[in-house]
Amino acid sequence: EAGVAQSPRYKIIEKRQSVAFWCNPISGHATLYWYQQILGQGPKLLIQFQNNGVVDDSQLPKDRFSAERLKGVDSTLKIQPAKLEDSAVYLCASSSRTDFLNTEAFFGQGTRLTVV
Amino acid sequence: GENVEQHPSTLSVQEGDSAVIKCTYSDSASNYFPWYKQELGKRPQLIIDIRSNVGEKKDQRIAVTLNKTAKHFSLHITETQPEDSAVYFCAAKDYKLSFGAGTTVTVRA
Repeated sequence: EAGVAQSPRYKIIEKRQSVAFWCNPISGHATLYWYQQILGQGPKLLIQFQNNGVVDDSQLPKDRFSAERLKGVDSTLKIQPAKLEDSAVYLCASSSRTDFLNTEAFFGQGTRLTVV
Repeated sequence: GENVEQHPSTLSVQEGDSAVIKCTYSDSASNYFPWYKQELGKRPQLIIDIRSNVGEKKDQRIAVTLNKTAKHFSLHITETQPEDSAVYFCAAKDYKLSFGAGTTVTVRA
């Protein structure tokens, strides 16, 4: 099966600029996650969607970050305006849910963002 | 929300020896505990997972144990090989998937 697709792979922007990341999950996967991974740290959950509804966005800095998952498939994550501390790899992941059992989350290659 | 703590942060072992990584979680509702391996510059990939109705699971050289009462789970790698060198993350999930900070494992030849 095709994996989780993300674009772009790399992005360099100046602080205060805006940036958007795109994710296409594995076909049929209802759950979609966006994680921020700062160098040397574990992935931090920014937002989790179930179909097109938000399950959790408690760690999403809502004053500058936004995310949407229209039609319950593709998703975009936007940062506006960016700060230096937003430099990180942004990972998208997806998983299916069968009979309410938690299943493996598959990760995309990530987008490496550098804010200068 | 769920808080996952992972220890140690770095681990160096001689090739052939065993490696053990331990994690604790805070939310007793968590019922799924995956372990991911991340090589430098690559995406995290699942290596083994365990559900809350199971106490232990093994897959070749890798095993995971879960103690629900104490809210901790561990990864055991036996007969380590150089290709086991990577960063390992534990995670816990009730309705959302939360990760530990990671353990950098170095296998010395």
